[in-house]
Amino acid sequence: SYLLTQPPSVSVAPGQTARIPCGGDNIGSKSVHWYRQRPGQAPALVVFENSDRPSGVPDRYSGSNSENTATLTINRVEAGDEGDYYCQVWESSNDHRVFGGGTKLTVL
Amino acid sequence: QVQLEQSGADVKKTGSSVKVSCKTSGYSFTDYVVAWVRQAPGRGLEYMGGIIPLLNAANYAQPFQEGRLSITAVKSTATVYMELSSLRSEDTAIYYCARGVATSKTNWFDTWGQGTLVTVSS
Repeated sequence: SYLLTQPPSVSVAPGQTARIPCGGDNIGSKSVHWYRQRPGQAPALVVFENSDRPSGVPDRYSGSNSENTATLTINRVEAGDEGDYYCQVWESSNDHRVFGGGTKLTVL
Repeated sequence: QVQLEQSGADVKKTGSSVKVSCKTSGYSFTDYVVAWVRQAPGRGLEYMGGIIPLLNAANYAQPFQEGRLSITAVKSTATVYMELSSLRSEDTAIYYCARGVATSKTNWFDTWGQGTLVTVSS
């Protein structure tokens, strides 16, 4: 099964830029999707197909994907951006979805 | 608007089964995959499996391929069910259903249910 690796935590001061990496073998050849989960809530999609945003997600959120690392970038971080962030890919060989272990974003 | 409404919390005994429902609305039920993802306390998201309602074909992640998990869909009520049997304490988790969006290259989840807490105890 394909493995996605995320750091357990990332901390950033308000107004700064948060970068959350998601590592995987040749992940640049796959499409990566990102979800935010606030405490006590269900996950919510924030970026799909590497860099597209669903309606309602601010343009402070962006994504990139190259070689062995995909990255979710959040500019001008606010307190409301806190939560757990998960990357996800699709394994075409078995039609399975794979999640990274999640990264807790803390706004200092 | 697209909505996925799940059944309420449940407490089960070790060795028993649980069945959680996910009633969908606001879109054409047969056009999208509905999947199940669970989250144990303090842990990350774990994909369990999904179903294509148009074909009534289910697909299960490797840890659930030994027959403990069954995902079914009822077109008449636009509802998907997840049944997990031979419950053990480590099955205690929040269970989410999610709508899957598919392209020729990838799949992602654009809408999630509110989650159902299943507690397994002896």
